[in-house]
Amino acid sequence: EVVLTQSPATLSLSPGESATLSCRASEDIRRFLAWYQQKPGQAPRLLIYDTSNRAPGIPARFSGSGSGTDFTLTIDSPEPEDFAVYYCQQRNNWPRTFGPGTRLDIK
Amino acid sequence: QVQLVQSGAEVKKPGASVKISCKGSGYTFTKYTIHWVRQAPGQGLEWMGSINSSGGPIVYAERFQGRVTMTRDASTSTVYMTVSSLRSEDTAMYFCARDQDDWNRETGVLDYWGQGTLVIVSA
Repeated sequence: EVVLTQSPATLSLSPGESATLSCRASEDIRRFLAWYQQKPGQAPRLLIYDTSNRAPGIPARFSGSGSGTDFTLTIDSPEPEDFAVYYCQQRNNWPRTFGPGTRLDIK
Repeated sequence: QVQLVQSGAEVKKPGASVKISCKGSGYTFTKYTIHWVRQAPGQGLEWMGSINSSGGPIVYAERFQGRVTMTRDASTSTVYMTVSSLRSEDTAMYFCARDQDDWNRETGVLDYWGQGTLVIVSA
């Protein structure tokens, strides 16, 4: 199965700083990568699919890039509500797999 | 609006089975595949499988094959997942989630999620 590795495990930002989250796949997954946001006690929420397509209602400050094995989620000047855990997920192969997550904290 | 409403929390003994439901509303139930994803306490997300809501393919992650059964009842817009031979490691929040594709294909993009069902396995 495709193993996804996310870095860093925790990212602490000061207000106004942009966030760059990374996801690396153990094999080529083309552009079939999604990003989800999860807040405590809530279900995950789809942010980005197929590397760079924002889901409906997702603000433009969220953007994704990459291909093959290396992918990035960028959050420009995160709002207070953006501090959460972010998971990447691949859909190129079965089983669908998720990364271990990156926690975005306020410094 | 699209909603997936799951059944309530369960406490089970090791070796027992649990059946969780996920009722869809606000969309045409038979046009979308439903996925099941679980999350152990403090841990990440684990995909368990998916079920075509119109009676088509059911796909299980290999590690759950034989222990997990997914079914659907189109008349009530509900999908079910039964996990058998429960062990303590199955203690987790279980989520259903809708696939994004409206041709009932399994694309692996999960656009709407249920609120989760907590299953605790304890002697």
